[in-house]
Amino acid sequence: NAGVMQNPRHLVRRRGQEARLRCSPMKGHSHVYWYRQLPEEGLKFMVYLQKENIIDESGMPKERFSAEFPKEGPSILRIQQVVRGDSAAYFCASSPPGTRDNEQFFGPGTRLTVL
Amino acid sequence: SQQGEEDPQALSIQEGENATMNCSYKTSINNLQWYRQNSGRGLVHLILIRSNEREKHSGRLRVTLDTSKKSSSLLITASRAADTASYFCATVNAGGTSYGKLTFGQGTILTVHP
Repeated sequence: NAGVMQNPRHLVRRRGQEARLRCSPMKGHSHVYWYRQLPEEGLKFMVYLQKENIIDESGMPKERFSAEFPKEGPSILRIQQVVRGDSAAYFCASSPPGTRDNEQFFGPGTRLTVL
Repeated sequence: SQQGEEDPQALSIQEGENATMNCSYKTSINNLQWYRQNSGRGLVHLILIRSNEREKHSGRLRVTLDTSKKSSSLLITASRAADTASYFCATVNAGGTSYGKLTFGQGTILTVHP
């Protein structure tokens, strides 16, 4: 059973471009979470999705950021018109349905660098 | 200050010594989890302790939880150089669904010297 997969692992964008980050949850997991980690800091929650639904987006910036988890295919975190402050590591995590404790399994992350 | 704050921020010890990291939080929780992150890598789940538990062991790891003080500690016994990493506590808040976000602390950077 493959773990959570994220791609690309590294992404370089110029200011104003779009960044698309992909996350494939573990097999059988229907809950996906996105977190952002700035240098020397802990992870900050961004959004929690189930298939075709956004459950909690309280951590998402109000503009330029969007997320989806379609019925088929990976979850996508999309950042439009990137700025230097968007440079960070973005982690995806997944958890199975019916779990009591919400243990989340993390992917290796996508490191976004905005030039 | 944030939910899930660890101290110390950095800890440097010799191989074979024990390492203790502490975490404090603010709100009522369902459970508290500890994760490890090696430099430049993703997070690895270490151990979970529920709000009705006081102590839990897993191999060389021992976690305690004091809900009256809203604090937890992670003890790594007989440390090894391979334990060098950042360690984060994360909480799942009580109330509502058991799913949802983890709230992470700032982390403790542990360095174990051979």
